[in-house]
Amino acid sequence: DAGITQSPRHKVTETGTPVTLRCHQTENHRYMYWYRQDPGHGLRLIHYSYGVKDTDKGEVSDGYSVSRSKTEDFLLTLESATSSQTSVYFCAISETGAMGRNQPQHFGDGTRLSIL
Amino acid sequence: QKEVEQNSGPLSVPEGAIASLNCTYSDRVSQSFFWYRQYSGKSPELIMSIYSNGDKEDGRFTAQLNKASQYVSLLIRDSQPSDSATYLCAAARGGSYIPTFGRGTSLIVHP
Repeated sequence: DAGITQSPRHKVTETGTPVTLRCHQTENHRYMYWYRQDPGHGLRLIHYSYGVKDTDKGEVSDGYSVSRSKTEDFLLTLESATSSQTSVYFCAISETGAMGRNQPQHFGDGTRLSIL
Repeated sequence: QKEVEQNSGPLSVPEGAIASLNCTYSDRVSQSFFWYRQYSGKSPELIMSIYSNGDKEDGRFTAQLNKASQYVSLLIRDSQPSDSATYLCAAARGGSYIPTFGRGTSLIVHP
């Protein structure tokens, strides 16, 4: 299995509090991603990173920020959590592929976040 | 907008049967395709990658790709109750490291 560790695995917090989720990889892969998964919506990309300090927004980035100061760590921050951000959050990693052949993503075990 | 479509199911098959899961994609320049299995409460797990037209077999799993018709399928032979899960299809353009995921098909294999 790909070496991806997400922390915490579960978190309950209150509306308006800041929350930071961590993704740590031991694979030295270039690309890292944060997704959220909700019933009826499937996986939705929040932010992604294509290198240290290189990040960009996904389709549902509002209310989220990220940072990647080291290859192995990708942090997702909810500056002021809202109940609509209650979800399961997955980190994924992938490596550069050969021309025309993307490498697949590998996922961490997820963080179940509840915002009351 | 790039889309990957899957029937949400559930697809119910008896144990020992062949389960056929289908996926269509809208982006004609997609070149890489992936099937993931996701058990309830768990993370997606890669089953197969396929890049060329035709069939690719791995154990009980066969992925089929038809770029002209823009569909990719996953066949599971000798289905087992342990295969009961949601199967996610994903497609990516060559050179893009951001795949587009379908919403998944729920498979139930009953004894």
